[in-house]
Amino acid sequence: EPEVTQTPSHQVTQMGQEVILRCVPISNHLYFYWYRQILGQKVEFLVSFYNNEISEKSEIFDDQFSVERPDGSNFTLKIRSTKLEDSAMYFCASSAGTSGVTTDTQYFGPGTRLTVL
Amino acid sequence: SQQGEEDPQALSIQEGENATMNCSYKTSINNLQWYRQNSGRGLVHLILIRSNEREKHSGRLRVTLDTSKKSSSLLITASRAADTASYFCAYPSTSAAGNKLTFGGGTRVLVKP
Repeated sequence: EPEVTQTPSHQVTQMGQEVILRCVPISNHLYFYWYRQILGQKVEFLVSFYNNEISEKSEIFDDQFSVERPDGSNFTLKIRSTKLEDSAMYFCASSAGTSGVTTDTQYFGPGTRLTVL
Repeated sequence: SQQGEEDPQALSIQEGENATMNCSYKTSINNLQWYRQNSGRGLVHLILIRSNEREKHSGRLRVTLDTSKKSSSLLITASRAADTASYFCAYPSTSAAGNKLTFGGGTRVLVKP
């Protein structure tokens, strides 16, 4: 069964460093998302991406964050200058977009645990 | 209080018993989805119920949706130790972009063998 994959599974970085989290969405999906979950807290929406542009973003997704679909398969989240509070599990998700965007199932990857020291 | 609240926050049951958890929300929704998360792992989609549906089954899972009360419930029947996980409800926004999911705080379920 097709699945969303993410790499790396765990990333440790120093405060102020740039990190790129990578995702390979399900191949025929059209909508892509990033969420994060700080330890012990709710899963929070960061950004959605469709047709090579951001369709929606949250307050969390400030100028330090960017997303890109550099080729036909990868979807990346870049944090330019990491802060301690960016430590979290980051989930990529994708949805097909065929049954109407608001009724689609979103399929999540296994997550990347980001630790900022 | 925050939207997408589950209760109880934690549930401990014996294998073979049923587990019921509830989710309340505050806005209008097109659908509501339930996800499972094993400790420190990814989110696994369990079931999606649309706003015009009242009940849906998938294997040992039964989900109900009451849009008048803005609430949903997830029932796991004949629970197994492998059902030990956190369960989250989530629903998409109804804006034009319309696709971000809002998650509840989750119910931690422990099934004791």
